[in-house]
Amino acid sequence: EVQLMESGGGLVQPGGSLRLSCAASGFTFGSYRMNWVRQAPGQGLEWVANIKQDGGEKYYVDSVKGRFTISRDNAKNSLFLQMNSLRAEDTAVYYCASTLNGELDYWGQGTLVTVSS
Amino acid sequence: QTVVTQEPSLTVSPGGTVTLTCASSTGPVTSGYYPNWFQQRPGQAPRALIYSTSNKHSWTPARFSGSLLGDKAALTLSGVQPEDEAEYYCLLYYGGAQNWVFGGGTKLTVL
Repeated sequence: EVQLMESGGGLVQPGGSLRLSCAASGFTFGSYRMNWVRQAPGQGLEWVANIKQDGGEKYYVDSVKGRFTISRDNAKNSLFLQMNSLRAEDTAVYYCASTLNGELDYWGQGTLVTVSS
Repeated sequence: QTVVTQEPSLTVSPGGTVTLTCASSTGPVTSGYYPNWFQQRPGQAPRALIYSTSNKHSWTPARFSGSLLGDKAALTLSGVQPEDEAEYYCLLYYGGAQNWVFGGGTKLTVL
């Protein structure tokens, strides 16, 4: 059974940093692209970033370029999102999602990031 | 700035049929945008329903189908059930640096 579990969310001040993690199980993690998607309170979904199987290609939504970095550790079946220079508008539930058969086919339950002073 | 547009809300009667659409500000939606559809119930994570226009996941109920309808991608629900009341999002692929863009979502009410 495919399982994705995010962690690392919390309250952070504007300008601060946070590192999210996603632990994967139930599939050969290193063989698939992975994604981060976020959802601001009461709002729709926003694709944030994805990373190729070997970590060699990474893509980001414009609003996080230069501030967020996606990475992965295939030996530990883990996906990460390093978030720097956080802004109030980054407040959201952050989901990790896999791409096994179709895009974003399996999702974690999400972790809440709140950026506030 | 690319915008993906969905109907903000739709209402359907139990047992009825409803079609949700997904349009792109860049022009007609084709299979090259690899349209995906997701369902999200309140308080839950999204669930994938359809990928690459019309392909169903193993867990996707048979009453859900995806297609291209005119210049848009479409999700049709036939024989709607009360549990289909949810928010539905489409996702389109733009390639290059833009990668993936979600639509704003359609709130489907079963009444």
